[in-house]
Amino acid sequence: GEDVEQSLFLSVREGDSSVINCTYTDSSSTYLYWYKQEPGAGLQLLTYIFSNMDMKQDQRLTVLLNKKDKHLSLRIADTQTGDSAIYFCAESENTGFQKLVFGTGTRLLVSP
Amino acid sequence: DTAVSQTPKYLVTQMGNDKSIKCEQNLGHDTMYWYKQDSKKFLKIMFSYNNKELIINETVPNRFSPKSPDKAHLNLHINSLELGDSAVYFCASSPRWGANTEAFFGQGTRLTVV
Repeated sequence: GEDVEQSLFLSVREGDSSVINCTYTDSSSTYLYWYKQEPGAGLQLLTYIFSNMDMKQDQRLTVLLNKKDKHLSLRIADTQTGDSAIYFCAESENTGFQKLVFGTGTRLLVSP
Repeated sequence: DTAVSQTPKYLVTQMGNDKSIKCEQNLGHDTMYWYKQDSKKFLKIMFSYNNKELIINETVPNRFSPKSPDKAHLNLHINSLELGDSAVYFCASSPRWGANTEAFFGQGTRLTVV
């Protein structure tokens, strides 16, 4: 079955770059997503990447995909305290319909 | 205006009770979902509806019964609540049926069974 794994915690200082990593097992995944969850809030889609892409940049966010190693990363440049949240990667199974399989989530703590 | 809204936001109830969570989206989307997030923050899909029809049922106990009266609503009814049902339940919607569509999530309903 599908499995998506992430490290549980990441702590950085304000202004540094953060890199959150994710590994997945389903090689047929078509889309890979990064969601952000702030305390007590729902999930906010940050960005996504199609499986035939290697990289996608969106302002402070850079997504890197290594399809061979089934490794996805999210880099946040100039991390701010407001970036503190749980970050989930998710894959969409290539079964013709939308079924997100989420990772375990990485709690990012940004200290001043 | 909230795109995907769920009510209630918090729900505390006793074991054995029956409760419902409502979800509405005003985005004109065709597809709606229920996800469950457990105490360890693990998120898993429960149900998916497309144009009011059930498409995905991920081995959820039949005490959970989704109902979609129209495309804009997907409610979740839970019978005979158990302690293990305590979780945050997220409703989501996406524009259309397909693997490459963005899912918009509601704020979640925190269900606590005591």
